[in-house]
Amino acid sequence: DQQVKQNSPSLSVQEGRISILNCDYTNSMFDYFLWYKKYPAEGPTFLISISSIKDKNEDGRFTVFLNKSAKHLSLHIVPSQPGDSAVYFCAALVEGGGNKLTFGTGTQLKVEL
Amino acid sequence: NAGVTQTPKFQVLKTGQSMTLQCAQDMNHEYMSWYRQDPGMGLRLIHYSVGAGITDQGEVPNGYNVSRSTTEDFPLRLLSAAPSQTSVYFCASSQDGNQPQHFGDGTRLSIL
Repeated sequence: DQQVKQNSPSLSVQEGRISILNCDYTNSMFDYFLWYKKYPAEGPTFLISISSIKDKNEDGRFTVFLNKSAKHLSLHIVPSQPGDSAVYFCAALVEGGGNKLTFGTGTQLKVEL
Repeated sequence: NAGVTQTPKFQVLKTGQSMTLQCAQDMNHEYMSWYRQDPGMGLRLIHYSVGAGITDQGEVPNGYNVSRSTTEDFPLRLLSAAPSQTSVYFCASSQDGNQPQHFGDGTRLSIL
């Protein structure tokens, strides 16, 4: 039972364009959401997060949108750069629940020149 | 500025062997966790700790033991390795339950 789903295994965009990565969740108890970025042979690194009391959080080129009624969140990267090529994981947790992350399966983003 | 350090980076075991995966953090973080990553399944939580002397099970704890005798270290023990435990293992830490976790670079484990 996959509680956090990333239905696109891969995404390819051109440099300078917008990258949109999507994530859906089924557990209505989740109230905090994070995006992690992962390069090969490295551990995931934290990118950006959003609390369920917000619908948008922005940090430089990265913006996360949350639609609670649809149980959907998305990560926008504008403009996309070749260094953004990596696997992006969506993760969710219940605040106060021991910081236990439930991860999606990841989306491989390739930014082409 | 080491962050989260995992050793070894690679290991091959035979079925039935035991092994301890080491994890150490130098950030004085209270929370530490172990995850495994398998193809097509993302990362899944094995065990976690909210402080020294306190551990609890995650989503896939069977076949693994942990202990947390110090704030810095959180070793993961495989008592009798099985091929199904072939995976990449990640250790993570955070200051508390409201902070994003910092991950180590992983241990790639193969069980033959």
